[in-house]
Amino acid sequence: GAGVSQSPSNKVTEKGKDVELRCDPISGHTALYWYRQSLGQGLEFLIYFQGNSAPDKSGLPSDRFSAERTGGSVSTLTIQRTQQEDSAVYLCASSLGLGREETQYFGPGTRLLVL
Amino acid sequence: KNQVEQSPQSLIILEGKNCTLQCNYTVSPFSNLRWYKQDTGRGPVSLTIMTFSENTKSNGRYTATLDADTKQSSLHITASQLSDSASYICVVIRGSGTYKYIFGTGTRLKVLA
Repeated sequence: GAGVSQSPSNKVTEKGKDVELRCDPISGHTALYWYRQSLGQGLEFLIYFQGNSAPDKSGLPSDRFSAERTGGSVSTLTIQRTQQEDSAVYLCASSLGLGREETQYFGPGTRLLVL
Repeated sequence: KNQVEQSPQSLIILEGKNCTLQCNYTVSPFSNLRWYKQDTGRGPVSLTIMTFSENTKSNGRYTATLDADTKQSSLHITASQLSDSASYICVVIRGSGTYKYIFGTGTRLKVLA
């Protein structure tokens, strides 16, 4: 596609439910990142994937968070047993590679609200 | 501790005026620094990328400066337009080989007619 797309754009769920957020990166981009942006906070790195390498999961806040990237393209971020503090905008970005001057292209985000 | 601090937190200016946003960082090892523009409800969009050896870089009405000695950067917006209303995020990339993105909390700019 022309840009990074994410779905759903908005998600409201009840505390304790599981949610799945999807990211479609730009075609040909080997690197894919997930970030979380809470109200009034900077972007918080969660996880990134690069090609077939093992993902860097160092930013995942707890074991309730996991992510997959199938076929080196689409990625799914799963949050199990959601908590109210998980409410945030979840942003996905992709880049051609991991070079130090690579530009990350961001999707519009998924706004998650946990009631 | 690796941090990126931005100021002011928010700013309101009149259309046509200039403004300067500040970014101070304590990130090491430094790789490069980026400024992003984030419109409400959208993902951030890259404005500039500056490496250690670059002092100034322009992108249209946006000019970024970098002082690697004092670990400060600024983003200057000239002749502001209503469409400049957005959050401006300073990002410092840390590392060599494996890169980490350290994001500031942003400056919210509102341009009034």
